[in-house]
Amino acid sequence: GQQLNQSPQSMFIQEGEDVSMNCTSSSIFNTWLWYKQDPGEGPVLLIALYKAGELTSNGRLTAQFGITRKDSFLNISASIPSDVGIYFCAGFTGNQFYFGTGTSLTVIP
Amino acid sequence: GAGVSQTPSNKVTEKGKYVELRCDPISGHTALYWYRQSLGQGPEFLIYFQGTGAADDSGLPNDRFFAVRPEGSVSTLKIQRTERGDSAVYLCASSLNYRTEAFFGQGTRLTVV
Repeated sequence: GQQLNQSPQSMFIQEGEDVSMNCTSSSIFNTWLWYKQDPGEGPVLLIALYKAGELTSNGRLTAQFGITRKDSFLNISASIPSDVGIYFCAGFTGNQFYFGTGTSLTVIP
Repeated sequence: GAGVSQTPSNKVTEKGKYVELRCDPISGHTALYWYRQSLGQGPEFLIYFQGTGAADDSGLPNDRFFAVRPEGSVSTLKIQRTERGDSAVYLCASSLNYRTEAFFGQGTRLTVV
């Protein structure tokens, strides 16, 4: 299957700091999605991207669809304790979304 | 309903038994996906429905796994002769159309003992 390399694997940051994570692939995707997952819950959709170069914001979150269509990044500004969780990127091609391995975010108050 | 609903939320079964997991997608969503997630991993694709038909079942690990969506809404994932390796969280997602944003349910945690 398609390989999505998500980095970093984990992050420990101080409250108020900005966060950046990214996802890269050797394959082209038609859609990029970013999700947040809390323990025991299903992934919650944060941002959806449909066009190469697209930059979309959702509150303190900003994500971009790379112009090569092989990568995407997610930025979180001014982190707060409730940002803690695992963030997944997902790229769509064929008939399915392929997921990255996740970035575990810990916010230290 | 307002979101994707999955039942049961937890299922413990004995090795060799048959289980059914149910997914109620968001009303009006034509696309439905089943994924499986193991601890510390991202979700892995199992099967995709567009309407009533299984458009892609390439992710089903073997013929013990089967899914249906007879009326183009509710879907059931069926696992025969369960094995301990089937233990995982089974996630269902739906989207309005092909390749649009997918919304997940809370998952069914299956434990095979």
